[in-house]
Amino acid sequence: EPEVTQTPSHQVTQMGQEVILRCVPISNHLYFYWYRQILGQKVEFLVSFYNNEISEKSEIFDDQFSVERPDGSNFTLKIRSTKLEDSAMYFCASTWGLAGGVTQETQYFGPGTRLLVL
Amino acid sequence: GNSVTQMEGPVTLSEEAFLTINCTYTATGYPSLFWYVQYPGEGLQLLLKATKADDKGSNKGFEATYRKETTSFHLEKGSVQVSDSAVYFCALTGSARQLTFGSGTQLTVLP
Repeated sequence: EPEVTQTPSHQVTQMGQEVILRCVPISNHLYFYWYRQILGQKVEFLVSFYNNEISEKSEIFDDQFSVERPDGSNFTLKIRSTKLEDSAMYFCASTWGLAGGVTQETQYFGPGTRLLVL
Repeated sequence: GNSVTQMEGPVTLSEEAFLTINCTYTATGYPSLFWYVQYPGEGLQLLLKATKADDKGSNKGFEATYRKETTSFHLEKGSVQVSDSAVYFCALTGSARQLTFGSGTQLTVLP
């Protein structure tokens, strides 16, 4: 069964460093998402991406964050200058899309990248 | 905006006990409702969903019914197993496509 994959599974970085989290969505999916889960807290939406541009973003997704689909398979989340409070599990998700923007609603999640900022 | 309120945990049950995890929501329009499960050390997996009022989602012995009149989507299972130990998240999508999650309920099932 197709699945969303994420790399790395764990990343440790120093405060102020840039990190790039990578995701490979399911191959025929068109909508992509990033969520994060700070330890012990709820899963929070960061950003959605469709047709090579951001379609929605939350208040969390400020100027230090960016997303990109550099090729036909990868979907990346970049954090330019990490802060201690960026420590969290980051989940990528994807879903099907039809022409005209009508989406199949079930989002399929990757296993997550655990980011620790020291 | 959209919000999901979920029963506080943790919940500890004996094997074969009946499980209910309460979930209520606030949303504009007609949301779709989901239960996701997160097993220890793993990502989020869709457990079941319902897309309109009175729909019942079911999977692996779990059930939840979309109740528009009470804005609820409570998760139930008649007989839990040790392997059901996990964190359960209620979630919805509304007019915006992103998922809004509840805070999660940790379930531990003892043999």
